[in-house]
Amino acid sequence: NAGVTQTPKFQVLKTGQSMTLQCAQDMNHEYMSWYRQDPGMGLRLIHYSVGAGITDQGEVPNGYNVSRSTTEDFPLRLLSAAPSQTSVYFCASSQLGLDQPYQETQYFGPGTRLLVL
Amino acid sequence: GEDVEQSLFLSVREGDSSVINCTYTDSSSTYLYWYKQEPGAGLQLLTYIFSNMDMKQDQRLTVLLNKKDKHLSLRIADTQTGDSAIYFCAESMSGGGATNKLIFGTGTLLAVQP
Repeated sequence: NAGVTQTPKFQVLKTGQSMTLQCAQDMNHEYMSWYRQDPGMGLRLIHYSVGAGITDQGEVPNGYNVSRSTTEDFPLRLLSAAPSQTSVYFCASSQLGLDQPYQETQYFGPGTRLLVL
Repeated sequence: GEDVEQSLFLSVREGDSSVINCTYTDSSSTYLYWYKQEPGAGLQLLTYIFSNMDMKQDQRLTVLLNKKDKHLSLRIADTQTGDSAIYFCAESMSGGGATNKLIFGTGTLLAVQP
């Protein structure tokens, strides 16, 4: 298994440009999420999905769109990039087990560094 | 609102025990987590504890949970230089049990001196 893969590793955008951050997992996990990490801060949830066709907003969703057409892929779209979106973006996938207490299997991708000028 | 707080830095000597503390605010959190982040890497889930537990031990790691005070701690026994990293505490948001709804603390940088 490749785990969680993210592309690109880094990107520089100009204000107003759009782009899509790719995230894919090959573990058949139901849950996938996008987080951003800013200097001196913990991760903040942008959007998440509990399965194909189902997405919802997290803590900081403004300026981002997501879709989940397949179990494997969960792309994050920036419609019109702003300097405030300069950050490191992490995608994560997880799957709860069926037994009590739930055993959790979770993986984070290596991150995408985005600089918006 | 929900908030998770951690001290920013902890320095210990190799071989000593490290204790990283965290306070949270959402009393309905079902799961509480500890993650490790090494430089330039993503987050690695170290361990998690259910809100109905007081303690969980996993090899060198011991997690203590005080629900009354909303206090969580991670103890690393026999700390090694390879343990140097940023450690994040996280709570599940509004009782959500899956890792797709988490609130993270700011992270504690653990520096292990040889």
